[in-house]
Amino acid sequence: EAQVTQNPRYLITVTGKKLTVTCSQNMNHEYMSWYRQDPGLGLRQIYYSMNVEVTDKGDVPEGYKVSRKEKRNFPLILESPSPNQTSLYFCASSFVSGSLSEQYFGPGTRLTVT
Amino acid sequence: QKEVEQNSGPLSVPEGAIASLNCTYSDRGSQSFFWYRQYSGKSPELIMFIYSNGDKEDGRFTAQLNKASQYVSLLIRDSQPSDSATYLCAVDNAGNMLTFGGGTRLMVKP
Repeated sequence: EAQVTQNPRYLITVTGKKLTVTCSQNMNHEYMSWYRQDPGLGLRQIYYSMNVEVTDKGDVPEGYKVSRKEKRNFPLILESPSPNQTSLYFCASSFVSGSLSEQYFGPGTRLTVT
Repeated sequence: QKEVEQNSGPLSVPEGAIASLNCTYSDRGSQSFFWYRQYSGKSPELIMFIYSNGDKEDGRFTAQLNKASQYVSLLIRDSQPSDSATYLCAVDNAGNMLTFGGGTRLMVKP
């Protein structure tokens, strides 16, 4: 089954404790992206990757890191989480052919930083 | 700052009616336009995409694009209670980033 998986689905952590949210897709998509979704602010892009070893900042990259060492995986790293990073996070992937095609979203990771 | 604007709603329509959802965008260079549906607590799923001016129909859904007016809309015919969700408009500006609007919450009342 074609899918994007994220782990963990729920996470409660404390300020400053490094964490990683994993994202994996099995569709051989070149493009992968991370979004956060907050009430009233919609979906905002954090980082994206056009292919292996190619990453770039989205609209809200501060406080986040990513890496793309393999085509299928695109982990999101919070080196020192803060309460303002409490949010719902989505990973997405798609093919790229001139422009972005349909993005497939993972199920989401609800993160709470206390 | 590239912007995509939507009325947050809620937009309330009776079952069987046409729901009209609207979206405006600021970047004239935008190339591709997408409508996603998101049920509460779930991830967005693609409903329609449109690249060219005019209308594109898929079942009960019609996407309309007017690049001169920087306007894209989604019509849902014969609305059903199961269509109740938040509809997100997304714009691809340069083939590498999607900018999303804040979403319009649609409520279809039986």
